[in-house]
Amino acid sequence: EDQVTQSPEALRLQEGESSSLNCSYTVSGLRGLFWYRQDPGKGPEFLFTLYSAGEEKEKERLKATLTKKESFLHITAPKPEDSATYLCAAPSGGYNKLIFGAGTRLAVHP
Amino acid sequence: NAGVTQTPKFRILKIGQSMTLQCTQDMNHNYMYWYRQDPGMGLKLIYYSVGAGITDKGEVPNGYNVSRSTTEDFPLRLELAAPSQTSVYFCASSYRDRVVPDTQYFGPGTRLTVL
Repeated sequence: EDQVTQSPEALRLQEGESSSLNCSYTVSGLRGLFWYRQDPGKGPEFLFTLYSAGEEKEKERLKATLTKKESFLHITAPKPEDSATYLCAAPSGGYNKLIFGAGTRLAVHP
Repeated sequence: NAGVTQTPKFRILKIGQSMTLQCTQDMNHNYMYWYRQDPGMGLKLIYYSVGAGITDKGEVPNGYNVSRSTTEDFPLRLELAAPSQTSVYFCASSYRDRVVPDTQYFGPGTRLTVL
């Protein structure tokens, strides 16, 4: 059964304190890995797609990487506005269907 | 482009009542999806549609129904609401399958409480 697991469940950082969020997956024939950001009371907002092991993508203070078994979302020198829940998802079963991890709740304090 | 829009934003239902959650997208996407999100859990797929007139069950379809008569609209119907259906519901859409999976874009959600 395809599965996506995220860790940690919650992460508290001081402003400027870099860290990484983990997304591990067991999906047959992985065809991509998606990262979303979700603010409280809002819908998920697309961040990145990674399609093959070794691929990296960056956006401002965020960098996503992909290996054959897991993906990392690295946050460099975070700011309070980076506080959100970060979701990862993998395609499963065709038709662009996704299975989601439970998310990592990130809180960045000044 | 408004993207994916959902109505209502909030709703309280009594046990046994019915309602329809509305979802519209203006991106001319072929595929549309309904998810529910419970606290501390990932999004779970309820139903999806690959085009007008074509729908299929996802992971948690019991207690729900869908229809898709146009490319733009994908309403979700709750019949005989139960407390277990208290959740936040998200609609999403994407282009059709291509060489690589395409991105799903999400609406703002509907927060439903069943009392």
